[in-house]
Amino acid sequence: LAKTTQPISMDSYEGQEVNITCSHNNIATNDYITWYQQFPSQGPRFIIQGYKTKVTNEVASLFIPADRKSSTLSLPRVSLSDTAVYYCLVGSSGFQKLVFGTGTRLLVSP
Amino acid sequence: IAGITQAPTSQILAAGRRMTLRCTQDMRHNAMYWYRQDLGLGLRLIHYSNTAGTTGKGEVPDGYSVSRANTDDFPLTLASAVPSQTSVYFCASSEGLRGADTQYFGPGTRLTVL
Repeated sequence: LAKTTQPISMDSYEGQEVNITCSHNNIATNDYITWYQQFPSQGPRFIIQGYKTKVTNEVASLFIPADRKSSTLSLPRVSLSDTAVYYCLVGSSGFQKLVFGTGTRLLVSP
Repeated sequence: IAGITQAPTSQILAAGRRMTLRCTQDMRHNAMYWYRQDLGLGLRLIHYSNTAGTTGKGEVPDGYSVSRANTDDFPLTLASAVPSQTSVYFCASSEGLRGADTQYFGPGTRLTVL
């Protein structure tokens, strides 16, 4: 079971880059790392997923070092609408092993 | 619009009553899930189904049951509700059978058990 550890909360200002790191020391060989975003009163939604090195899409980048024991979600130039809870999820082969954790609450201020 | 629908949006329920939360997806996904979300505890998996006709237990299955009679529907039943089941419940689905497949979530059901 790949347990993840994230900071409980982070604060930022509009226009800044935000980096949220997730630790997953016992990640398995076949595990992927997935990040979800959740706004108040909504279900989580997929942001980005990776296995190793770097992945970038239109909203974020995901950096994964060679040992894969951690990962960093990078949000460039955040806006107020990026205020949300961000979850790091390490996927394993069995459904019952999915663990979302408590997530990181990001607050973006003007 | 394709996605997941949940009903009801919210419900207040007396302890001891039976309640079924409904979840329907129109994406023809194989896998479906039920989570509960409580303040400070994040999302916890209750039950899952990796295909129609099969279900499995997640992290917190006690007091809940599910069925998967077809691909689209995955109802969650509380046979005899207790106050500790007060929570926000999210249904989700994913296309593939891998644990890492992207999950798509419904809007949630806010349940209060008094």
